[in-house]
Formats: sequence, structure tokens, C-alpha cells
Amino acid sequence: GESVGLHLPTLSVQEGDNSIINCAYSNSASDYFIWYKQESGKGPQFIIDIRSNMDKRQGQRVTVLLNKTVKHLSLQIAATQPGDSAVYFCAETNQAGTALIFGKGTTLSVSS
Amino acid sequence: SQTIHQWPATLVQPVGSPLSLECTVEGTSNPNLYWYRQAAGRGLQLLFYSIGIGQISSEVPQNLSASRPQDRQFILSSKKLLLSDSGFYLCAWSVLDSRPGELFFGEGSRLTVL
Repeated sequence: GESVGLHLPTLSVQEGDNSIINCAYSNSASDYFIWYKQESGKGPQFIIDIRSNMDKRQGQRVTVLLNKTVKHLSLQIAATQPGDSAVYFCAETNQAGTALIFGKGTTLSVSS
Repeated sequence: SQTIHQWPATLVQPVGSPLSLECTVEGTSNPNLYWYRQAAGRGLQLLFYSIGIGQISSEVPQNLSASRPQDRQFILSSKKLLLSDSGFYLCAWSVLDSRPGELFFGEGSRLTVL
């Protein structure tokens, strides 16, 4: 069945460090991937997305890397700040391409 | 601008009681609508999605149902709640397309079944 997973449930970093959050996906037919950030008690918010015809996409302080060969997705956050502390989810399209399937999430804790 | 509203924000219900969570989107037409559930410490599980009025797709068998009585209204219901229905319920919308684009989530409804 479809599943999206993350390698680590938690990640702790120091302020100013770079953070890398990893995700493995199972649907080789997925052509769209998104990273979301969820702060405590709130709904997830879009961070960055990538289509399967790309290997890398950069945003403001964030970069998403896609390795289709091993079905691996990662989110890199540069100069991590305390405000980056949240749960991060990767998501891929379902088999029908009609909805997004989310992984279990990685909790990022940033200490100053 | 588009906005999404969910209510109630929190709900405590006894086992066996009914449930109705409402979601309304403003500022857009013909949105794709979604209900997700997030159990404590876990990821988001897709429950239902709708690409139009009267078109509801269920992802997993469960004790819940969904309805879309109007273009921008999505309702999640249950006739008899179970303890396992406790969780954080999130409504989301996306621009109508053949594929789901960016999802815009509501603030969520926290349901506790006792």
C-alpha cells in the first residue's frame, strides 16, 4: 500500500546549525512532493514543493532534494532558528493522484 | 483572499454520541476539499476527499462519514463515536485540478471521546 515515512521521529539542533530532515516514500508513480510545517495546535503550513522532473528546489533558507532512484526526499533548513521548531511532514500524491498522503512527521527542536 | 474555517475548535464527547464537524472555505469556487485526522504523536491520515458537490471519496473504512451539501462546505459526521475516534481533525482545500496541489489547512478541531 501507499506509505510515506521519515527516518527519524525527532531531531535536535543548535540555533544557527543546518538541519536535514529525511523522508522515504513508496509510490514510485508519485510526481509531486510537498513539505509541510506544523506548529503546536495548528494546521500544517506549506513550506516547499517539488515535481518529479526536478532533483532540487530552493526556497528561502530551505532546500528540497529528491532522489527518485532510492525514493528519498529531504528538507534542508539553513541557519536553523528557534522559530523553526515544529513538526515537519513530507507528503506525496496518492495512487489516484487525487490527494496527498502524509508521513508520520519529524519533530525539530532548536535550542539557542 | 481565501480563508478556511473549522468548528468547533475543541469538542469532548461521550462514547456512542453523534458528531458533526463543519468546514467552510471562502474566497474560492469549486475547491477540492479534504478531511484528515491526526492521532496524538502521529502523522496525518487522509479520511475523505471531495472534488465536487456530492462526490465524496473515502480512503479508509471507519466509523465516520462526510458530506458536501454546498460547494464550499464540508461536514464530517458520526452516528456513534468510538474511543478510537479521538484526535485532531483537519479540513483542507486545494485549487481544483487533476492533481492535488498545495493544501491549505484549517486550524483543526480537537475531539476527545471519553
